[in-house]
Amino acid sequence: AQTVTQSQPEMSVQEAETVTLSCTYDTSESDYYLFWYKQPPSRQMILVIRQEAYKQQNATENRFSVNFQKAAKSFSLKISDSQLGDAAMYFCAYRRDSGTYKYIFGTGTRLKVLA
Amino acid sequence: GAVVSQHPSWVICKSGTSVKIECRSLDFQATTMFWYRQFPKQSLMLMATSNEGSKATYEQGVEKDKFLINHASLTLSTLTVTSAHPEDSSFYICSARTVYNSPLHFGNGTRLTVT
Repeated sequence: AQTVTQSQPEMSVQEAETVTLSCTYDTSESDYYLFWYKQPPSRQMILVIRQEAYKQQNATENRFSVNFQKAAKSFSLKISDSQLGDAAMYFCAYRRDSGTYKYIFGTGTRLKVLA
Repeated sequence: GAVVSQHPSWVICKSGTSVKIECRSLDFQATTMFWYRQFPKQSLMLMATSNEGSKATYEQGVEKDKFLINHASLTLSTLTVTSAHPEDSSFYICSARTVYNSPLHFGNGTRLTVT
């Protein structure tokens, strides 16, 4: 069975600085997708970024980028120029590219942004 | 963008009663909807997957007779918590997508408190 692990329950970053959130996963599949979701205090889940496993190039969305290491099964999220609005729970998620296409979420990392 | 509306946002009910939570896709047809449960400071645990017009597929350990899921149309899925008990108190989140490879859109969740 696939699993997603986030080893950092909580992280802090100074405003305007850069922070990296870690995620590792376990799967025997070769085709899958990885995601980072943000859950602010409103509890609304927001997609931050996604990565297709077949793509070697790391995904980037403005201040958010990932470091995808397929062989190591690692998928970290880098947030540059951190803003107060980035404070939230961040969940790493895995979705296989077959079957039910259901998502498996990690345990989350709470990010605090310090002014 | 795609919007998923979940109602109610919060509900308090007495032990032994039933509660229905609605999940609607407002501007797209949701062939698949997922129901999650989130305990405080924990991850999203998938409860069940529902496809329009079919019976829901429940995850292991989830009582299908207790958590009734109906997905009668392409825009509406409901989760009914039957004979609710205090241990059913939790945050319930629905999500929806169009086709298998499309992004997942989340509702804003329902906080259920059973007294």
